[in-house]
Amino acid sequence: KQEVTQIPAALSVPEGENLVLNCSFTDSAIYNLQWFRQDPGKGLTSLLLIQSSQREQTSGRLNASLDKSSGRSTLYIAASQPGDSATYLCAAPEGSNYKLTFGKGTLLTVNP
Amino acid sequence: DAGITQSPRHKVTETGTPVTLRCHQTENHRYMYWYRQDPGHGLRLIHYSYGVKDTDKGEVSDGYSVSRSKTEDFLLTLESATSSQTSVYFCAITPGHTYTGELFFGEGSRLTVL
Repeated sequence: KQEVTQIPAALSVPEGENLVLNCSFTDSAIYNLQWFRQDPGKGLTSLLLIQSSQREQTSGRLNASLDKSSGRSTLYIAASQPGDSATYLCAAPEGSNYKLTFGKGTLLTVNP
Repeated sequence: DAGITQSPRHKVTETGTPVTLRCHQTENHRYMYWYRQDPGHGLRLIHYSYGVKDTDKGEVSDGYSVSRSKTEDFLLTLESATSSQTSVYFCAITPGHTYTGELFFGEGSRLTVL
């Protein structure tokens, strides 16, 4: 059974700081991993999908990396802004079936 | 925007009543999912569908049933709602017809069972 852990549960940083969010998973036989953002009272917005054949995926100020051998993924946010404040979740599949297991998220607050 | 519409967006009901949540998509996606999100538990898969009339159970399927009689609609039914089913329910899709593991979510339906 896939288990996904996100550390830290909450993070508060000043505006402009670069930061890293961590995601670890127990079943390394994954074919991809996805990062999401969730604003309060809203649905999840897909940020990045990393295929198992990739080591990194970039979108704007976001960079996600995947290391299957160590069971870890990181989401790097460059030059953070108050608008980046949200909960960030990662999700990894359970084996080769259709089920994604989600971490409980990291609540990010970027202070002006 | 994956073209997902959930209805109702908010509902308050009483214990023991039936409730149906609807997920509607307009882009002919094959795979659809229902998740619930609760504090302390995160997102958990209830049921999913991999085609018309093809559905399967997820992690927390007890007390829920689903139906998919046409591609665009995936219905989640609580036959007899209980207070433990108070939650935010999210529908999601995988774009296209091939399973990639990528998910896009709807805006959610907040259900309160009194």
